[in-house]
Amino acid sequence: DTEVTQTPKHLVMGMTNKKSLKCEQHMGHRAMYWYKQKAKKPPELMFVYSYEKLSINESVPSRFSPECPNSSLLNLHLHALQPEDSALYLCASSHSMNTEAFFGQGTRLTVV
Amino acid sequence: SQQGEEDPQALSIQEGENATMNCSYKTSINNLQWYRQNSGRGLVHLILIRSNEREKHSGRLRVTLDTSKKSSSLLITASRAADTASYFCATDYNDMRFGAGTRLTVKP
Repeated sequence: DTEVTQTPKHLVMGMTNKKSLKCEQHMGHRAMYWYKQKAKKPPELMFVYSYEKLSINESVPSRFSPECPNSSLLNLHLHALQPEDSALYLCASSHSMNTEAFFGQGTRLTVV
Repeated sequence: SQQGEEDPQALSIQEGENATMNCSYKTSINNLQWYRQNSGRGLVHLILIRSNEREKHSGRLRVTLDTSKKSSSLLITASRAADTASYFCATDYNDMRFGAGTRLTVKP
């Protein structure tokens, strides 16, 4: 199984809502990543977990809250988002940091 | 910025032609990776080349690495319309941060 599964595929939320994005992999990878991608732009790294510990936080606003409950799961909790947070959110995993990464198909988030 | 920088930013070719994209970086690295992204989808890993390797092949892909010039190139031979995508490089030094990428369009 070489898949990274992201749910939901699409999400529309209001600015006062709380929602979560989920990412799951069963490849035994110990590094997991969250990216944000706006249209026609490259993916921007948000967070990196290595061995279930937050390794990199790219100064992301606190309305985005990552969580790694176990080595297979990665969540991104969303609260009080702004319309400019609308984007494609990508999750990825790799055996260890900076090795071949596998990406999910992303969650298309729209904030209204 | 420590991420790899790809050039050109956009490349348009006819089917059957070869496409060459370049990546430059600023520091010593242990490895460099190339990824492809079809519009609105996740990235797909293409190839990883280590700092002690100069060239690597995978199917129609050929990657070279010149550590003295801190640059890498990705060559796609006999391109197909399905190769239309954005291509990104990443080095181990920059912890999977991507540059602007090269947007390749292959016209049938």
